[in-house]
Amino acid sequence: EAGVAQSPRYKIIEKRQSVAFWCNPISGHATLYWYQQILGQGPKLLIQFQNNGVVDDSQLPKDRFSAERLKGVDSTLKIQPAKLEDSAVYLCASSLDAAYGYTFGSGTRLTVV
Amino acid sequence: GIQVEQSPPDLILQEGANSTLRCNFSDSVNNLQWFHQNPWGQLINLFYIPSGTKQNGRLSATTVATERYSLLYISSSQTTDSGVYFCAVGSGNTPLVFGKGTRLSVIA
Repeated sequence: EAGVAQSPRYKIIEKRQSVAFWCNPISGHATLYWYQQILGQGPKLLIQFQNNGVVDDSQLPKDRFSAERLKGVDSTLKIQPAKLEDSAVYLCASSLDAAYGYTFGSGTRLTVV
Repeated sequence: GIQVEQSPPDLILQEGANSTLRCNFSDSVNNLQWFHQNPWGQLINLFYIPSGTKQNGRLSATTVATERYSLLYISSSQTTDSGVYFCAVGSGNTPLVFGKGTRLSVIA
């Protein structure tokens, strides 16, 4: 089966600019996650979708981050405006359900200068 | 929320050596996964193992859910095993919470 697709692979932006990341999960996976991984740390959840509804966005900085999953398939994560501390790898994962195995995409490495 | 502790934080091995990585968690779980993050940042799912024992080649894992820990065994290590190993756990429908990882370096 095809894996989780993410784009772009790398992105460099200036602070206060906006950026968007795209994720296409494994076909049939109802649950989609966005994680943020800062260098040297473990991934931290930003948001969890079940189909096209948000299940958990308690750790999403909603003043600058937004995410959507239209039609319960693809998802986009946006940052506006970006700050230096947003420099990280943004990982998308999908699973059949929260209690099943997750498959991660290759991630988007964001550098804010 | 649930806490995940991994040990050791860093490990250096000679090629061919064996190792054991440990993951302790603070609450009952119904999802536990071990991941390998390679030098390019890709997270590879090694095991889905909320309980019991599994083996895949030179790797095996055991989770003792009642005692809230899991172990990952790497035998006959190779330089390609280098990277960071993460344990991640979930409870109910909550998403996976990751530990801080064990950074493994295998030297020839």
